[in-house]
Amino acid sequence: GNSVTQMEGPVTLSEEAFLTINCTYTATGYPSLFWYVQYPGEGLQLLLKATKADDKGSNKGFEATYRKETTSFHLEKGSVQVSDSAVYFCAIYNFNKFYFGSGTKLNVKP
Amino acid sequence: DTAVSQTPKYLVTQMGNDKSIKCEQNLGHDTMYWYKQDSKKFLKIMFSYNNKELIINETVPNRFSPKSPDKAHLNLHINSLELGDSAVYFCASSQREASETQYFGPGTRLLVL
Repeated sequence: GNSVTQMEGPVTLSEEAFLTINCTYTATGYPSLFWYVQYPGEGLQLLLKATKADDKGSNKGFEATYRKETTSFHLEKGSVQVSDSAVYFCAIYNFNKFYFGSGTKLNVKP
Repeated sequence: DTAVSQTPKYLVTQMGNDKSIKCEQNLGHDTMYWYKQDSKKFLKIMFSYNNKELIINETVPNRFSPKSPDKAHLNLHINSLELGDSAVYFCASSQREASETQYFGPGTRLLVL
C-alpha cells in the first residue's frame, strides 16, 4: 500500500538553528514526493516537490532530496526563522491520489 | 482574494444533527476535493469532483454526501452526525483531474458532542 511516516513533533528550535524533519514512505510504483506547510489559520501550501529519484526540491531555503533507495524525503533548512513556525506535512502522490503524513509542528523561538 | 475558502471555520454540533460545510474556489479550476484529517492528523481523500461529476469516492459512509452546484463550489453535507465524524475537513482544488498540484482551503474544524 501507500503510506507516509514523518517524525512526530513538536520540534522546538532557536532562530538560526539547523532543521531536519524526517519523512519516509511506502509506495507501489513511482510516486512524486511533496512537502506542504500550514501556517496558523491557513490552508496547506505547497513548499517543494520532487518527481524522480535524486531530484532535489527547494524553496524559501528549504530542501529535500528524493531518495529512492531509502524511500525517504527529509526536509532540511540551514537556518530557521521565527516565521517558519508552522506544521509541515510530507506527502506522496501516487495513482492520482495524495497520501499525507501526520504533520510535524515546528516552533521557532527568537 | 482567498483562492479556496471554506465556511464555517468551526462547527460544534450535537450527535444526530445534519450539517453542511461549504467550499468555494475562485481559481477557475475544474476539479475539487474533500479531505478528512483524523485524530492522528493524517489527511485522507474522501471525494473528488471534476466539472461537477464525481470521480473519486473513497470508502466513506453514505451519511456523507458531496454536492457540486457548479465548478466553483463543492459542498459537503453530513447526515446523522456521529462522534467519530469529529475532525478537520479540508477542501482543495486543481486545474484538472488527476493533478498533483492542488490548492487547499484553511479547513473546517468539526466537533460532534
